[in-house]
Amino acid sequence: DAKTTQPNSMESNEEEPVHLPCNHSTISGTDYIHWYRQLPSQGPEYVIHGLTSNVNNRMASLAIAEDRKSSTLILHRATLRDAAVYYCILRLSSGNTPLVFGKGTRLSVIA
Amino acid sequence: DADVTQTPRNRITKTGKRIMLECSQTKGHDRMYWYRQDPGLGLRLIYYSFDVKDINKGEISDGYSVSRQAQAKFSLSLESAIPNQTALYFCATSDPDGSGNTIYFGEGSWLTVV
Repeated sequence: DAKTTQPNSMESNEEEPVHLPCNHSTISGTDYIHWYRQLPSQGPEYVIHGLTSNVNNRMASLAIAEDRKSSTLILHRATLRDAAVYYCILRLSSGNTPLVFGKGTRLSVIA
Repeated sequence: DADVTQTPRNRITKTGKRIMLECSQTKGHDRMYWYRQDPGLGLRLIYYSFDVKDINKGEISDGYSVSRQAQAKFSLSLESAIPNQTALYFCATSDPDGSGNTIYFGEGSWLTVV
């Protein structure tokens, strides 16, 4: 599986935008970029995914570099409930490989 | 009701005992997974099953076994529990959707082996 690299931790002030980076320089053409997050004492939950174009949903936006070697998860206005570990994961379009988690980025949100 | 239900949610067991964690899902997915999470670490895959007749080892399968009793049920067993199997265990499900498929997790089962 192609690997991803994320910062161990980040901090944000409440109500401000947060940009969570992910590097995936060995990404292949068939890999989708998926983001999950894990709130304290809960299982991971899906946030967003994309292939080439930027994506938006009710939770976040995903900005994908033109060469696809990096991406950024954008939380437009961080709230205290967004404090979690965010995982950037590459997935084959077939989904025929299990999800492999790295250590993710622990986001702290300051009131 | 949760789409992916794990039982028990918490269990304390003694070293050497057999323990089973059960998982059931109402999403109609073919694929099911068991992950383990140790404090401060990411999730590690124990076993996964892409359909009822399919069982595959993950990266840390030693000391564990699984049973896929039906499409909706996937249980994890520790035949002889040891203290370093103390962890938070997650069951998950997915179905292929052409974009790498979204995976849905249960709420986790805390297991303490004393």
